[in-house]
Amino acid sequence: GEDVEQSLFLSVREGDSSVINCTYTDSSSTYLYWYKQEPGAGLQLLTYIFSNMDMKQDQRLTVLLNKKDKHLSLRIADTQTGDSAIYFCAETGSGGGADGLTFGKGTHLIIQP
Amino acid sequence: DGGITQSPKYLFRKEGQNVTLSCEQNLNHDAMYWYRQDPGQGLRLIYYSQIVNDFQKGDIAEGYSVSREKKESFPLTVTSAQKNPTAFYLCASSIVREAGETQYFGPGTRLLVL
Repeated sequence: GEDVEQSLFLSVREGDSSVINCTYTDSSSTYLYWYKQEPGAGLQLLTYIFSNMDMKQDQRLTVLLNKKDKHLSLRIADTQTGDSAIYFCAETGSGGGADGLTFGKGTHLIIQP
Repeated sequence: DGGITQSPKYLFRKEGQNVTLSCEQNLNHDAMYWYRQDPGQGLRLIYYSQIVNDFQKGDIAEGYSVSREKKESFPLTVTSAQKNPTAFYLCASSIVREAGETQYFGPGTRLLVL
């Protein structure tokens, strides 16, 4: 099956930028997503990028997509304590997401004071 | 207030018992999904439904059953055949965009075995 890979942990200082990386395997994915999960909660859609884009910016969030390397990243500027959560990368695959998304195992973002 | 609701927040199952997890959405989304999340794992797809009265198995459907009698509702039954049901269960619904779908998630139900 297809795999989406992420580092399990990332530790950053409050106020610094966080960069969470993801590699995916299905080059036919039409959309790639970043979700945020706080303890005991469901997944919150943070942002998504269409596969024909290289970059998308939304306030403190910047998504970069390198289709050649199948690499997706999420940059969070000016990281705050409220950003502490698990961040999941997901891809639609060739079905456009109609048959479900494929998720990575999530990256725990830890904020140091 | 539009959204996806799941109930209960916590559910306890005894040996040999079937339990049903509720998922309701008022977003007028056609497609709905059930995922299972285990600690340190990503989400794995159990079942999905793209229209009323139709559903398909996902990657880990064994020991689970679903129904889709109404557009708004997609209940998941964890049967006694599911030998390791302890997990966090997440329901999602999706809106169809031009080239793909975006899924929105409910708050989840945590199932524990007594």
